[in-house]
Amino acid sequence: AQKITQTQPGMFVQEKEAVTLDCTYDTSDPSYGLFWYKQPSSGEMIFLIYQGSYDQQNATEGRYSLNFQKARKSANLVISASQLGDSAMYFCAMREPSQGGSEKLVFGKGTKLTVNP
Amino acid sequence: DSGVTQTPKHLITATGQRVTLRCSPRSGDLSVYWYQQSLDQGLQFLIQYYNGEERAKGNILERFSAQQFPDLHSELNLSSLELGDSALYFCASSVVGATAETGELFFGEGSRLTVL
Repeated sequence: AQKITQTQPGMFVQEKEAVTLDCTYDTSDPSYGLFWYKQPSSGEMIFLIYQGSYDQQNATEGRYSLNFQKARKSANLVISASQLGDSAMYFCAMREPSQGGSEKLVFGKGTKLTVNP
Repeated sequence: DSGVTQTPKHLITATGQRVTLRCSPRSGDLSVYWYQQSLDQGLQFLIQYYNGEERAKGNILERFSAQQFPDLHSELNLSSLELGDSALYFCASSVVGATAETGELFFGEGSRLTVL
């Protein structure tokens, strides 16, 4: 079963508008971490924002915020005031405790965001 | 610049061949991860090493192997290559343990492998 689901293969937004990228996750462990990464066309993976399962407040980093709804198991990324440079693939990922203490991340399939001028 | 260095950036080879991808983690990071990104499979976790020891194994084929050396750099060996092995291979490193604030992975720029 998929642990991270991103239901939007592609999204379009006008420059300067806000956009929400959806992410739902599946875990039975009470301790986990959620991450968003950006992958521009050049290919590198850029860390954007992190939310811990015990964090009381939604994470924010500049124009990025994470709408964390624990009961719904969703961790949507909100990008405010979109810029042309935000056009990229966006990946949601989860880290959960595992036997052996691995800290690996499990990624969703991504959402391709296109910002239109 | 994430501080993670991967070489080579691009590699073109033929089916049946063997290649080695190299990764130098960020200074001080003991943990190295390998991921494969292909169009149909997305980002797939292959293997993790921590301070020279294998820590976790994912969907890594038996034709693939990896190791982490005493200086903490890592190599991913891909042998008997098939067309389907064409992908972007990422190395990532992280701070591990209680001192890690978020534990995010820092990714290299990837090695793009094309098997013809």
